[in-house]
Amino acid sequence: KQEVTQIPAALSVPEGENLVLNCSFTDSAIYNLQWFRQDPGKGLTSLLLIQSSQREQTSGRLNASLDKSSGRSTLYIAASQPGDSATYLCAVAGNTPLVFGKGTRLSVIA
Amino acid sequence: GAVVSQHPSRVICKSGTSVKIECRSLDFQATTMFWYRQFPKQSLMLMATSNEGSKATYEQGVEKDKFLINHASLTLSTLTVTSAHPEDSSFYICSAREGMEETQYFGPGTRLLVL
Repeated sequence: KQEVTQIPAALSVPEGENLVLNCSFTDSAIYNLQWFRQDPGKGLTSLLLIQSSQREQTSGRLNASLDKSSGRSTLYIAASQPGDSATYLCAVAGNTPLVFGKGTRLSVIA
Repeated sequence: GAVVSQHPSRVICKSGTSVKIECRSLDFQATTMFWYRQFPKQSLMLMATSNEGSKATYEQGVEKDKFLINHASLTLSTLTVTSAHPEDSSFYICSAREGMEETQYFGPGTRLLVL
């Protein structure tokens, strides 16, 4: 059974810092891995999707990497801004439907 | 990008009543729709998967007679919480996928509060 773990559970950083969010999964037989953003009480916004054959994806200040063999992914946020404050979820797609981690709650302090 | 809407965004109801939540794909044909539930500070948990025109497949521990799912068209799926109780209070999110595409598009969610 696929399990997804995100570390840390919560993170607070001053504005302008670069930061890394971590996601690990137990079953490396995945099709893709996706990073989402969730604002309080809102739905999900897809940020980046990495196919199993890819090593990384970039969108603006966001860079996501994938090491399938070790079951790890990182989401790198450059030059963080207060507007980046949200919960970040990773989810893996494989033989089972999407499995989500519990998320990392990020606070960027102005 | 593809858009998925949900209605209502928020609902408050009395214990014992039934609540229907709609999920619509606005600009694509959603051959598969998924329903998730999220309790506070918890991850999204898949409740069921529905393919258009077929019965939904429920995840273990999800009562199919309590959470009725209908996916009668390629743009609409509904989740009905029957005889709702306070423990059903949660955030319900749907997502949709077109054909064999891997990407799921998520709705904005519906917050249900059962008094």
